[in-house]
Parts: sequence; C-alpha cells; structure tokens
Amino acid sequence: GESVGLHLPTLSVQEGDNSIINCAYSNSASDYFIWYKQESGKGPQFIIDIRSNMDKRQGQRVTVLLNKTVKHLSLQIAATQPGDSAVYFCAENIPKYGNKLVFGAGTILRVKS
Amino acid sequence: EADIYQTPRYLVIGTGKKITLECSQTMGHDKMYWYQQDPGMELHLIHYSYGVNSTEKGDLSSESTVSRIRTEHFPLTLESARPSHTSQYLCASRDSGPGFYNEQFFGPGTRLTVL
Repeated sequence: GESVGLHLPTLSVQEGDNSIINCAYSNSASDYFIWYKQESGKGPQFIIDIRSNMDKRQGQRVTVLLNKTVKHLSLQIAATQPGDSAVYFCAENIPKYGNKLVFGAGTILRVKS
Repeated sequence: EADIYQTPRYLVIGTGKKITLECSQTMGHDKMYWYQQDPGMELHLIHYSYGVNSTEKGDLSSESTVSRIRTEHFPLTLESARPSHTSQYLCASRDSGPGFYNEQFFGPGTRLTVL
C-alpha cells in the first residue's frame, strides 16, 4: 500500500549504554504526556507518563524529562538491553481536543550486542 | 496486560471485497480509537468514538467507516478493499473517568494485505 507520512528516525546504541530518545510536542496547553514502546508486530505499550506540573519522573530503568519552556520531552533508558529494541512514541494529551492523545512521529531504537 | 482484542490478526484479501476488522475491550472504556500505521511509520488516527452512538473522523482521511452500538465493540469496515488499504490497523481504548490522566491501551493490531 501507499505509505503515508514520515519514515521514522533511528537511534543505534550499544548494549549496556544509556539511551536518550527525544520528542518535541506541539501544544503548550498539553497537560499530560505518555511514552509508548511498540515492538515489531505488536500494538504500542505504555512505558511511563508525566503530568505537566512535573519536570521529571522515574520508573524502572526509565526516566522521563519534561521541558515545557521549549516543549520538549525525553525518555532515558539506563543500561539498554536488546529487549529494548523497538519503536518509541511520545504522546501529548490536549484538553481542548476532548483530551485526545496526539502522537509524535516515533523513533526506532536499535540495540547492538 | 490490557483487555483489548482485535480480530483477525492477519488478513489477506482480494480487491473489491468487503471486510470488517473487529475490536473489543472488556474494560468498560468510553473512548475508542482506530489508527492506521504502515511499517516503520507514524500512527495516524482515522476514527474515534467517545461512547455509544458517537463516531468521529480522525486526522487522516480514510475510506473506512466505523460504528459504536455497544460500549465494548468498535468495528471498522471497508466496503470495497483496495491495495492502497494495505496497512496495519490498531485499535485503542481509554477511560474517560474523573481522573482524565488515563492510560490509552492498544490492541495487538490487524495487518491487512489487499491483493
């Protein structure tokens, strides 16, 4: 079929290194952000979220940083493992759009052993 | 693990056939969504629903239609499939309860190939 949209950028990291995946969001009124991981042939799965009144949130091996001044979101993965290889999407919740999630383009993470 | 299901997981069909992709969730979520995604590409919202008898077109124009007769069920129909419809179709649902910081759950997807 005809592909619509952008080809996703790729980040390649060595196993054991830390990964940083970046996302620029579009709307200053967004009040909630989510990172999703999508493995090949599967639907996206929730990784971590953050509300707009926070600038950092940590999970197990993952940290999300939010910079509202420049509308930038990042996902840091510590000690990256081969199982982390996937496509990562950020999403923003925009209240004026009925709290609909708007997804970023995504980044392909490839972990080299 | 999310209780949202899609069938079939894979479908290969000839041009001109009518097809319905099924999506069901058992979480009682009001909001449901359909996304179209080509391999290695971004997600595009094609339809959404905020509850029974509510359906809206998404950001990407699609020749498909949807219905929401029951809360748990949100099928997508293509009246006449064409090769340009070949893609992965992802269904999702989300609660619209008082805490609106609610996770959106995705189904496993249906990979459609139209010959």
